[in-house]
Order: sequence, then C-alpha cells, then structure tokens
Amino acid sequence: SQQGEEDPQALSIQEGENATMNCSYKTSINNLQWYRQNSGRGLVHLILIRSNEREKHSGRLRVTLDTSKKSSSLLITASRAADTASYFCATDGTGGTSYGKLTFGQGTILTVHP
Amino acid sequence: SAVISQKPSRDICQRGTSLTIQCQVDSQVTMMFWYRQQPGQSLTLIATANQGSEATYESGFVIDKFPISRPNLTFSTLTVSNMSPEDSSIYLCSVTPRGSRDYGYTFGSGTRLTVV
Repeated sequence: SQQGEEDPQALSIQEGENATMNCSYKTSINNLQWYRQNSGRGLVHLILIRSNEREKHSGRLRVTLDTSKKSSSLLITASRAADTASYFCATDGTGGTSYGKLTFGQGTILTVHP
Repeated sequence: SAVISQKPSRDICQRGTSLTIQCQVDSQVTMMFWYRQQPGQSLTLIATANQGSEATYESGFVIDKFPISRPNLTFSTLTVSNMSPEDSSIYLCSVTPRGSRDYGYTFGSGTRLTVV
C-alpha cells in the first residue's frame, strides 16, 4: 500500500517564485528521497535525507525531515520553467528485507509559468 | 551511479497478448526492482528480481501475470501476460546504489504500455 501522502497535489507558480511540496509517511524509515518525473518518463533522483538528518541542501533544493511528525518538505527556490514536472517523495524503510523497496507518495504536479 | 537501458519505451498491444520489457544495466547489481505506475498515479512495487533465485512479489502481484527473469547480474525482463486494458501503465525498473544506502536509486526511462 502507498505509505506517503503529498500535498499539494498540484502547484502552479510563476518563474522565479519558490515551490514547496510536503510529504508524510507512516512507518520508520532509513532515509527519504525525492524524485522528479518529466512527462511520465523515468524518475530522476534529486536528493536524499537520512533519518538522522533534519535538513539538507543541494543547489536550489532544500529538503527537511521531521521524524517525530513523519513528514518532509521539498523547497525549490527561484523556480524555472524547466522545473515543470511531477515530484515524488519515496521512503526507504528500515530492516534489511526492505532494502531497495521504495514506497512512494502520491506526487505533486508542479507547473512553472514563464 | 548505474545507467539503465529500458526497452521498449512504449507499445500499444492487443488484449490477451503478452509484452516483455527489458532492462540492461551497465554494471553488475545484486537486486533489480520492477514498478508499475498506473495513469495519474504513483509508483507501486511489483517485485524484486534477484539473480539465481525466483523473484519476490509484492502483495497483489503474482508470477503468472508478471513473470520475471534475471539471467545475470546486469539484465532482467518483466513480462505482462494476458493483458487487459487495466494493465495500461508505465512500467519501470530500478536498481539500488552501489556501495551505500545513502545514494538515490537509478530508474530506467520507463515503458508506456497501452492495451486496447
């Protein structure tokens, strides 16, 4: 079953604005990852945050993790039209048998208008 | 990170037929994973493909419908059998990062399947 829920389901902004997406999950995790998908194609890994980390940056991306609330957020700063895509959070559970078995959120469709 | 070549990129198939999707990885990997993404939905894990043993299927997925082969450490196939329109989805393969669990996973470019 799907573990993660994301909000908003869709987000429409202007170029230059910031975009924030939120993700919640239900069980213990080893790490949480964010992926981007363009037009129903393959997924591209954006950033990973481990369960013992609270915040991580990569270029224009900032991700936070609150394990007490089982939630994460992805911030894209100074958005560009090329950022238009679907964004998914995915959790990598604890325990050896869960290795590689990602559980995905429902995704946020981001549209950045030029 | 690994590079995955997934084929075909898309196909339109008649109901009742089968389609085999291939994933070739540029390096040896222990585990490969197959996901399904139904229209407008998120990804759901179908099964884990291990070399030298039978695939492990998630709840709701069975070997008769989604047989998987893993003949070596760089290649796997997923067959969608006896297709119906409900099987119309994007199918993706994935591999875990090498050496550490602290890196993101690599996905194939996906196979968009339409069953008519």
